[in-house]
Amino acid sequence: DQQVKQNSPSLSVQEGRISILNCDYTNSMFDYFLWYKKYPAEGPTFLISISSIKDKNEDGRFTVFLNKSAKHLSLHIVPSQPGDSAVYFCAASGGDMRFGAGTRLTVKP
Amino acid sequence: EAQVTQNPRYLITVTGKKLTVTCSQNMNHEYMSWYRQDPGLGLRQIYYSMNVEVTDKGDVPEGYKVSRKEKRNFPLILESPSPNQTSLYFCASSLSGGFHQPQHFGDGTRLSIL
Repeated sequence: DQQVKQNSPSLSVQEGRISILNCDYTNSMFDYFLWYKKYPAEGPTFLISISSIKDKNEDGRFTVFLNKSAKHLSLHIVPSQPGDSAVYFCAASGGDMRFGAGTRLTVKP
Repeated sequence: EAQVTQNPRYLITVTGKKLTVTCSQNMNHEYMSWYRQDPGLGLRQIYYSMNVEVTDKGDVPEGYKVSRKEKRNFPLILESPSPNQTSLYFCASSLSGGFHQPQHFGDGTRLSIL
C-alpha cells in the first residue's frame, strides 16, 4: 500500500512563477516530513523538512506547508527557476521512512 | 567531499548469476539503507542497517541480502537475480538511525536482469 502519494506525475510552470507540489499521506503516525530533489543520473538530495509540530517551514525560495488534519503537505517554490527542473520526492517518517512516487517539475524559461 | 559511492553504476546481467552492488560512505554515518526505484512506485526500502553488524528488512527484502561488517560499507547482494529485480537502486546513509535525519544518497545503480 502506498502510504505517501504524489498524485501529479508532472508539473510545468513558467520561470518566475510559483510551483506548488502536493503530497498526501495516510498514516497518522508519521511525524516528520521531507522533500528531496532528484536530477537525472544523480541520487535524490535533501531539500527541506518539517516536523509535525509545525505547519510551515521556510528556506529561501522553498516553503513546505503541513496540514495535519487533511494529512497533506505541499512544497512551494517561489520564484521558480529553470534549474529547479527535477523530480521531487515527498517522504514521511514515523518509525520508518516512506517515499512518494515523485513529481517531475519543468520550469520553462 | 562527503559522499555515498555506489558501484557499478550500470549492469546488464542474466538470470541466476550472483551479483554484488557495493556502497561506501565517507561521513562516518551509522545508518545505511538500500532502496529500489520503480516507475509509479517511488523509492521502496529493501534493507537497512542501524550500525555495524545490525541489519533489518525493509519493505521489499525478498531476493536480496546485505551485510554490514564495517561502518562505511553496505553491499547489496543478489544471490540469484531474476528479471523482476530489474530496477534503479540507491544506497543512502544518515548520521544516526533516527528517521528525522535527512539521508544522503548515492547516484544510483541501474540493474537489468535478462
